[in-house]
Amino acid sequence: GESVGLHLPTLSVQEGDNSIINCAYSNSASDYFIWYKQESGKGPQFIIDIRSNMDKRQGQRVTVLLNKTVKHLSLQIAATQPGDSAVYFCADTNTGNQFYFGTGTSLTVIP
Amino acid sequence: DGGITQSPKYLFRKEGQNVTLSCEQNLNHDAMYWYRQDPGQGLRLIYYSQIVNDFQKGDIAEGYSVSREKKESFPLTVTSAQKNPTAFYLCASSVGRNTEAFFGQGTRLTVV
Repeated sequence: GESVGLHLPTLSVQEGDNSIINCAYSNSASDYFIWYKQESGKGPQFIIDIRSNMDKRQGQRVTVLLNKTVKHLSLQIAATQPGDSAVYFCADTNTGNQFYFGTGTSLTVIP
Repeated sequence: DGGITQSPKYLFRKEGQNVTLSCEQNLNHDAMYWYRQDPGQGLRLIYYSQIVNDFQKGDIAEGYSVSREKKESFPLTVTSAQKNPTAFYLCASSVGRNTEAFFGQGTRLTVV
C-alpha cells in the first residue's frame, strides 16, 4: 500500500525562527500533495497544496517544496509563532481518489 | 456558513453495541471520506465515496459500514465486529480528485 512518512516526529523551534518539516512518500505516481495542520482535539486544517508539475509553491508565511526525484516534500514556516504549535501532516494522492497521510510531526514553538 | 459537521463530538458505547457517527456537508462536494486516528498516529482511511450511492473500502474497513444515500450525508456505523473501536474519527469531503479535503471537527468514540 501507500506509504507516506515523516522524518522527525517532533520539532521544537524558537519563536521567530523558521521551521522546516519534512515528508517522504513512496509512490512515484503521486501527483498531488497537501499539508495539514491539526491542533489538539480538532480536525486537520488545510495549509497549502502542490501538484506534481510544480516544485515550489508559496502561501502566507508558508512554502512547500517538492522534489520528485527523491520523493520528498517539505513545509517551511517563516517567522514561526506560538499559534503555529500543532501537529503537521503531509498527504498525497495518486490515480485513486484517496488521500494517504503520514504519521505527523509535532511542532512546538518556544516563546 | 458552508462546512462539514460531525456529531456527536463525544460518544460512549458499550461493548457489543453498534453505533452510528454522523457526517453532513453543505459544500456540494461529491467525494466524502472517513478516517480513523489513534493517539500519536496519522489518519487511516476507513471508507470513501466519490458519488452518491457508491462507496469503496479503505485500508481498515473491517468492522465498519457506511451508506451514501444523499450527497450531503455519509454516516459511519461502527459495528460490534470492530475489535478496537476506541479512537478519534474524522470525516472529510472534497470536490473531487486532486482537490483539498475539508475536515470536520471529529468524533471521539470510547468503548466502555
